[in-house]
Amino acid sequence: GAGVSQSPSNKVTEKGKDVELRCDPISGHTALYWYRQSLGQGLEFLIYFQGNSAPDKSGLPSDRFSAERTGGSVSTLTIQRTQQEDSAVYLCASRRGQGIYEQYFGPGTRLTVT
Amino acid sequence: AQSVTQLDSHVSVSEGTPVLLRCNYSSSYSPSLFWYVQHPNKGLQLLLKYTSAATLVKGINGFEAEFKKSETSFHLTKPSAHMSDAAEYFCVVSASQAGTALIFGKGTTLSVSS
Repeated sequence: GAGVSQSPSNKVTEKGKDVELRCDPISGHTALYWYRQSLGQGLEFLIYFQGNSAPDKSGLPSDRFSAERTGGSVSTLTIQRTQQEDSAVYLCASRRGQGIYEQYFGPGTRLTVT
Repeated sequence: AQSVTQLDSHVSVSEGTPVLLRCNYSSSYSPSLFWYVQHPNKGLQLLLKYTSAATLVKGINGFEAEFKKSETSFHLTKPSAHMSDAAEYFCVVSASQAGTALIFGKGTTLSVSS
């Protein structure tokens, strides 16, 4: 079946502009995660959605970052007033449910802030 | 708190020789552990997972890992390297007993020469 998809695959933006990154999880997966992969920082957890529960936002680096998940499916990660240090690959993952199930990752969105 | 340490940032082997990628973890409870692989310009793919069943876990492409509680290790091995194994490998621990966010190691780049 279809895996996790993300769009756009690449995004170049000017410093100070807002960007939106989209994630389509695997159908039926109730858990959705956003991670950031950057040089020197490795892979960092950003935010986690599980069903209708309040999201775990503990990994968001600043209040410029926010995310929402509409209808328990598609998620959008928004970065306001982008900075050069926001340049990274943003990865989305989904998981079937609660418990110890592996996460399935999308191909990522490469964000470059100039 | 949970953490994971990959002991080598880069491992080089010859095709047909064994592969050993080392990982140590720290966890306040019985952890769930994973190995993910990331080929150049590709998404993260699950190689194998340990979730308190058998301590020797077999994964895809001939890889396996052994959970050793006394040594807090979860090393990844393969008897015979193939050129297609060249990639970055991440050792990952589940961040909480409920299996929410994943905590990634810094990664080990595996190079395979002919």
